[in-house]
Amino acid sequence: RKEVEQDPGPFNVPEGATVAFNCTYSNSASQSFFWYRQDCRKEPKLLMSVYSSGNEDGRFTAQLNRASQYISLLIRDSKLSDSATYLCVVSNQAGTALIFGKGTTLSVSS
Amino acid sequence: NAGVTQTPKFRVLKTGQSMTLLCAQDMNHEYMYWYRQDPGMGLRLIHYSVGEGTTAKGEVPDGYNVSRLKKQNFLLGLESAAPSQTSVYFCASRGLGVDEQFFGPGTRLTVL
Repeated sequence: RKEVEQDPGPFNVPEGATVAFNCTYSNSASQSFFWYRQDCRKEPKLLMSVYSSGNEDGRFTAQLNRASQYISLLIRDSKLSDSATYLCVVSNQAGTALIFGKGTTLSVSS
Repeated sequence: NAGVTQTPKFRVLKTGQSMTLLCAQDMNHEYMYWYRQDPGMGLRLIHYSVGEGTTAKGEVPDGYNVSRLKKQNFLLGLESAAPSQTSVYFCASRGLGVDEQFFGPGTRLTVL
């Protein structure tokens, strides 16, 4: 089992749609969880951290289920500018490094 | 405040040549990282450093060496480049007690 697995994508959705990305991780000792966004040929940037209680930032909602080792990202009212690759990221057991999923590509069309 | 910068932005090497990629950060971060990103493979950690003078191996360290002689700089060396090292290389840094890693703009390396 890969350490961080994501939906393969790509996701092609119209503007205004709601889209959900899922991710599973293998190391139950991981303590920190994130979603990063990467635009084409650019560096990854932090979108949001993910907490067990769930957290929301505008149109974005992230959830963590430690028992199932499952992370999700929900994007509501998709915008053209949301088109990017979304990376699920988990810390290693020591908390010194991050492990990245391969990413899921989202394309929002008008 | 430039954040994380990488030099060079692009480079083409011939098989067997050597080169050094430079990463610099002006945020006084303790942790620094080198990743490579290949199509279909995602970001993979090559080496990292938890402080000046320290380095550690990541997931794919073979063929690379690193040095962290100054806190703000993290160098990635390729002693004898191979076509399999054609990739986009990203450097990142992180402060103590902070989760977020900040990435540089990347170096696109082609080995012929």
